[in-house]
Amino acid sequence: SAVISQKPSRDICQRGTSLTIQCQVDSQVTMMFWYRQQPGQSLTLIATANQGSEATYESGFVIDKFPISRPNLTFSTLTVSNMSPEDSSIYLCSASGIGAYEQYFGPGTRLTVT
Amino acid sequence: AQSVSQHNHHVILSEAASLELGCNYSYGGTVNLFWYVQYPGQHLQLLLKYFSGDPLVKGIKGFEAEFIKSKFSFNLRKPSVQWSDTAEYFCAVNAPNSNSGYALNFGKGTSLLVTP
Repeated sequence: SAVISQKPSRDICQRGTSLTIQCQVDSQVTMMFWYRQQPGQSLTLIATANQGSEATYESGFVIDKFPISRPNLTFSTLTVSNMSPEDSSIYLCSASGIGAYEQYFGPGTRLTVT
Repeated sequence: AQSVSQHNHHVILSEAASLELGCNYSYGGTVNLFWYVQYPGQHLQLLLKYFSGDPLVKGIKGFEAEFIKSKFSFNLRKPSVQWSDTAEYFCAVNAPNSNSGYALNFGKGTSLLVTP
């Protein structure tokens, strides 16, 4: 299984600002994903981070709001742009190993927007 | 589009009681099925998974799940729960041959509280 770390673990931000979350995996993986878990709710996929190309976004999520980078096989970033209180959530990174279907999750980044 | 339903949102059990958490999904094609667990203050961990073969799969910590294709179900079971099983449990599905590919579709989760 892959070990995934995220930075920062939590942050409190003012509305209108942006926050970039980093995700680092300890081994090469094929797929990396970003999810959001709003308070008291389940996980919702934001996008699939593609290495060397633009991310694939789910319905309701757009690149201008959630730009994603994946410069190599073990690292990805998610930026939450022009934040509002509705963006307060836990943001999770996950990854699948080569040839694997299961995903392993990072510890999450708890974001509070005031 | 796929959907995943978990019927029990909050479950309270006494230690040594048996556990069964329901999970149903809606997708007619090939699916991979997962149960994840999130202990208080910890991150999501994979509890067990089903890809193919024996529909009864065993995971960590004495948990098992049974895939019943005709019922589109993947219920989680444990014969005797412990206080340390107190956690949030999520059922998840992906459909590799669909447009969504390997992305996981999660149920809303079941909060399990085991009392001493």
